[in-house]
Amino acid sequence: DTGVSQDPRHKITKRGQNVTFRCDPISEHNRLYWYRQTLGQGPEFLTYFQNEAQLEKSRLLSDRFSAERPKGSFSTLEIQRTEQGDSAMYLCASRYTYNEQFFGPGTRLTVL
Amino acid sequence: AQKITQTQPGMFVQEKEAVTLDCTYDTSDPSYGLFWYKQPSSGEMIFLIYQGSYDQQNATEGRYSLNFQKARKSANLVISASQLGDSAMYFCAMREGDDMRFGAGTRLTVKP
Repeated sequence: DTGVSQDPRHKITKRGQNVTFRCDPISEHNRLYWYRQTLGQGPEFLTYFQNEAQLEKSRLLSDRFSAERPKGSFSTLEIQRTEQGDSAMYLCASRYTYNEQFFGPGTRLTVL
Repeated sequence: AQKITQTQPGMFVQEKEAVTLDCTYDTSDPSYGLFWYKQPSSGEMIFLIYQGSYDQQNATEGRYSLNFQKARKSANLVISASQLGDSAMYFCAMREGDDMRFGAGTRLTVKP
């Protein structure tokens, strides 16, 4: 499969726990994006990478959130001390050219 | 300020008929891209169609076409010959540089 993949697809955690999500972009894509989507809303931008460099972070990304893309390949998004308000779908997307952006299946996080 | 506006929270269409989903956008950048995505209940964002701001002709992809009216800043999606499988959320998005913003979406229901 040559699409964007995300792992895990679902995560249930207790408030206060740390969680980490992984995204594997399409192999030749140098740009990788993270979005958060809550019920009934469109995706909201969190952060993006060009190769291994994190170039932009949204104000939505509090200091409990951190993202990495070592070696410019896969990326991880970690949420520390999760809160119930973090419950959402976390989407990863990647692209190479301007006129495309392909999304992964998402990780649905539920914080109890 | 809201950059992408989708004014139709929900739309209904009879199977085999055409439907238009509205999208207006706001930008002062002469170079931008417009995208439509479909999100079925499974949650994955599926890329449908792209229109560049300098493209002279409306984009088409199979049963999808984008009615691009630059002066009005609108980029409506037209789905011809609706099928039951078209029932989903539809999101309009705009790219300026590396930034992509999404509208709130329109839920389309195709009736048999």
